[in-house]
Amino acid sequence: GENVEQHPSTLSVQEGDSAVIKCTYSDSASNYFPWYKQELGKRPQLIIDIRSNVGEKKDQRIAVTLNKTAKHFSLHITETQPEDSAVYFCAASTGNQFYFGTGTSLTVIP
Amino acid sequence: GAVVSQHPSWVICKSGTSVKIECRSLDFQATTMFWYRQFPKQSLMLMATSNEGSKATYEQGVEKDKFLINHASLTLSTLTVTSAHPEDSSFYICSASSGTGQYEQYFGPGTRLTVT
Repeated sequence: GENVEQHPSTLSVQEGDSAVIKCTYSDSASNYFPWYKQELGKRPQLIIDIRSNVGEKKDQRIAVTLNKTAKHFSLHITETQPEDSAVYFCAASTGNQFYFGTGTSLTVIP
Repeated sequence: GAVVSQHPSWVICKSGTSVKIECRSLDFQATTMFWYRQFPKQSLMLMATSNEGSKATYEQGVEKDKFLINHASLTLSTLTVTSAHPEDSSFYICSASSGTGQYEQYFGPGTRLTVT
């Protein structure tokens, strides 16, 4: 099955700086790559997603890039704010199953 | 947006008893539902995928006789943890997708199971 790896596991940045989280996947059939933000005790919330026919997608301060050849994709958060502090999960999917990365705990220091 | 609910939100049970968790899609028809398990400070582990009207597909290492999944309607899936033990204590989250080609999944709020 699919194997999704995510790095780093923890990340601390100063408010206003950028944060980058990287994921790799193993199944070349995966064609949908969402990113979720999960606050403590709450459900994961989709923040951005990308499909395999696109190399980059941006939504305000959040962007995702995808390199299908290398099988990796990254989340970029610019101008970070304290409310961005949470655990972020990447996932890879063929549309039938979703496999999650191990998560990155992001702390934005005011 | 699409709403998924879970019930109960928290359940405490004694070792050896069975617990049923419900996952409902409130405003859309969920052709596919997923069940995940999440330990504290860890990722979501996919347990099984269920399609309405068919048997669930379990991930490797997940005991299908212990974690019974039923997806009898397009708005309801249930997970029953049979003969629960303390090691089954975890956060169980369901998600729902509206069908083939609809990649986005909508998560329920999760159910915290504590087995004493």
